[in-house]
Amino acid sequence: DGGITQSPKYLFRKEGQNVTLSCEQNLNHDAMYWYRQDPGQGLRLIYYSQIVNDFQKGDIAEGYSVSREKKESFPLTVTSAQKNPTAFYLCASSRATNTEAFFGQGTRLTVV
Amino acid sequence: QKEVEQNSGPLSVPEGAIASLNCTYSDRGSQSFFWYRQYSGKSPELIMFIYSNGDKEDGRFTAQLNKASQYVSLLIRDSQPSDSATYLCAVKGTSGTYKYIFGTGTRLKVLA
Repeated sequence: DGGITQSPKYLFRKEGQNVTLSCEQNLNHDAMYWYRQDPGQGLRLIYYSQIVNDFQKGDIAEGYSVSREKKESFPLTVTSAQKNPTAFYLCASSRATNTEAFFGQGTRLTVV
Repeated sequence: QKEVEQNSGPLSVPEGAIASLNCTYSDRGSQSFFWYRQYSGKSPELIMFIYSNGDKEDGRFTAQLNKASQYVSLLIRDSQPSDSATYLCAVKGTSGTYKYIFGTGTRLKVLA
């Protein structure tokens, strides 16, 4: 089945730790995205990538880092510099400039 | 002014009625418009997309786009309790951009 796979579904982080969220797609999409959603809020763009080895900051990139070494993969690292990381993280991908984005099932990150 | 605005709701409609969800956007150069449905705790799923002025129908759903007035709407006919969810409007901006800008969503409650 084609789709976007995020792992893990739930993640717990201690304060001061870095954690990496995985996102893999087998849709052969060029563009990939990371969004953050807080309770009762819309989606805010963290980073996006249009091609391999290239990515751009979104609206809330501080405290996050990404890489795009393969077309299929776009991992997100939440660093200790992110002061309020507890949120629902969504990865998405799209084919070209005017087409729709498809989402993974999300990772719920909680700081303990 | 927010880039994409939606009334947060909740919008309550009786079962079988028409639900009307609205969205306005600020970037006059926006090219593509999308409606996503998000159930509580789940990731967004695409319902419809529209690129041209006018109406686009798909089953019980109709998307309406008016670029001159910078609004896009979603009509849900014969609303069902299973339609109860948050509906997110997303806009893709000026041609060539890969960024999707999301509204904060409208919560719809269909009363049985």
